[in-house]
Amino acid sequence: DAGVIQSPRHEVTEMGQEVTLRCKPISGHDYLFWYRQTMMRGLELLIYFNNNVPIDDSGMPEDRFSAKMPNASFSTLKIQPSEPRDSAVYFCASSQEGGIPYYEQYFGPGTRLTVT
Amino acid sequence: GNSVTQMEGPVTLSEEAFLTINCTYTATGYPSLFWYVQYPGEGLQLLLKATKADDKGSNKGFEATYRKETTSFHLEKGSVQVSDSAVYFCAHISSGSARQLTFGSGTQLTVLP
Repeated sequence: DAGVIQSPRHEVTEMGQEVTLRCKPISGHDYLFWYRQTMMRGLELLIYFNNNVPIDDSGMPEDRFSAKMPNASFSTLKIQPSEPRDSAVYFCASSQEGGIPYYEQYFGPGTRLTVT
Repeated sequence: GNSVTQMEGPVTLSEEAFLTINCTYTATGYPSLFWYVQYPGEGLQLLLKATKADDKGSNKGFEATYRKETTSFHLEKGSVQVSDSAVYFCAHISSGSARQLTFGSGTQLTVLP
C-alpha cells in the first residue's frame, strides 16, 4: 500500500484566498483524522471521521475551516478565507476499525501551508 | 483532563550516548501509550506502544515502560545513532476518548557524529 497520500505537499497562497488540502487514506481504513502542527501549539486534532461521517469537529478553529469526506478514499480540508495565522503543516492520518485496545494511526507526509 | 507532558528540547547528544526523554501523562481510565517519531520533512510514524501497566514497548533499540504508579512512559535508548535525529512525540489514547490521540509537545533530538 502507498500509505496515506496528501496533496499538495506545499502550498503558498495570499491572505483571503481559498485553500483546499486533500487526503487519500489507506485502503480499508475506517477512520480519518486531520491534524495541524505549529511551533506555538504543537499537534492539534482538528476533526475526525468514521466511515465518512464526521464524529468530532471540536478542534476546528472557526467557521473558516471545513472538512468533507465524500467517500472512503478521499477527504478535503478547506480554509476560506485563509489568514496568515493558518500557516502550519496539516497532517492527515487514518486507522482501522478494531485493534482494541489501541489504534495505530498512520500519518501522511503533511501539507506545508504558507499564507502571506 | 487529558494531557501529556514531555521533556523540553532540544536535546543534543554524541553518537553512542544514552538517551532518555521523559514523558508523564494525565488521563481517565487506563490509557494506551505511544511514542511517535517524526523525521525531517515527513509525517509521524509509530515507534512503539504499550497498552497496560508494566508493559514494555520496544522497537529499533528504543524502549519505554508503562508505569502506572508514576504515570510515566519515558523513552530510552542505550546507544543513539546519527540517524536517530528526529522529533519524538509521546501520546496517549485514554479509554474514554474514542480514538483521539493526545500528543505531547515533542522533543527535538540531534545526534552528532
